[in-house]
Amino acid sequence: QVQLQESGPGLVKPSETLSLTCTVSGGFIRYYYWSWIRQPPGKGLEWIGYIYYSGSTNYNPSLKSRVTISVDTSKNQFSLKLTSVTAADTAVYYCARLGCSSASCSAFDIWGQGTMVTVSS
Amino acid sequence: QSALTQPPSVSGSPGQSVTISCSGTSSDVGSYNRVSWYQQAPGTAPKLMIYDVNNRPSGVPDRFSGSKSANTASLTISGLQAEDEGDYYCSSYTSSSTLVFGGGTKLTVL
Repeated sequence: QVQLQESGPGLVKPSETLSLTCTVSGGFIRYYYWSWIRQPPGKGLEWIGYIYYSGSTNYNPSLKSRVTISVDTSKNQFSLKLTSVTAADTAVYYCARLGCSSASCSAFDIWGQGTMVTVSS
Repeated sequence: QSALTQPPSVSGSPGQSVTISCSGTSSDVGSYNRVSWYQQAPGTAPKLMIYDVNNRPSGVPDRFSGSKSANTASLTISGLQAEDEGDYYCSSYTSSSTLVFGGGTKLTVL
């Protein structure tokens, strides 16, 4: 059974770079799309971006200038970097798999437990 | 891209049915049958309940159903149970090959 686990610092200073890694266990990272999603405290979900195992990416236009998602198939991991963070980037960050049906790959079928990242000096 | 529009809250009594709407545009909900729904209990990660408008993953009760008309998708929960309480989010694929969530709906079982 595939499981996802986020890891990284829980506290980041303003203007610095937020870096998180998601480790995929119980299955291979190949042939799927992998995504990052965040949820500010008390607010809704926001899609950040996704990466295919081959390395192709797509990002939320509102975050595109600050986001990079990368993949390391040898380690079964994918990562998120968000630059120039502010307090508005404080959120629970989830990694998730985009599952594929016969019709599409557009539903997040497996989620990590989430990791809280606070931006504060 | 703008978030999909959901009602902030809905409520119903046990045994009743409730419907949550998810309004988008012709660039997302209206153009693709790629709408999914998620249930989130407090302090937990979201759980996929419906994918591709009206398909249930294995293990999701058939009390949960989805539909779509034009630019609006809907999630219906019939035979409401106390355990259905929580926040519900819709999501859609878009014409830019991105994904977008709705603002979320809090379901209260009275």
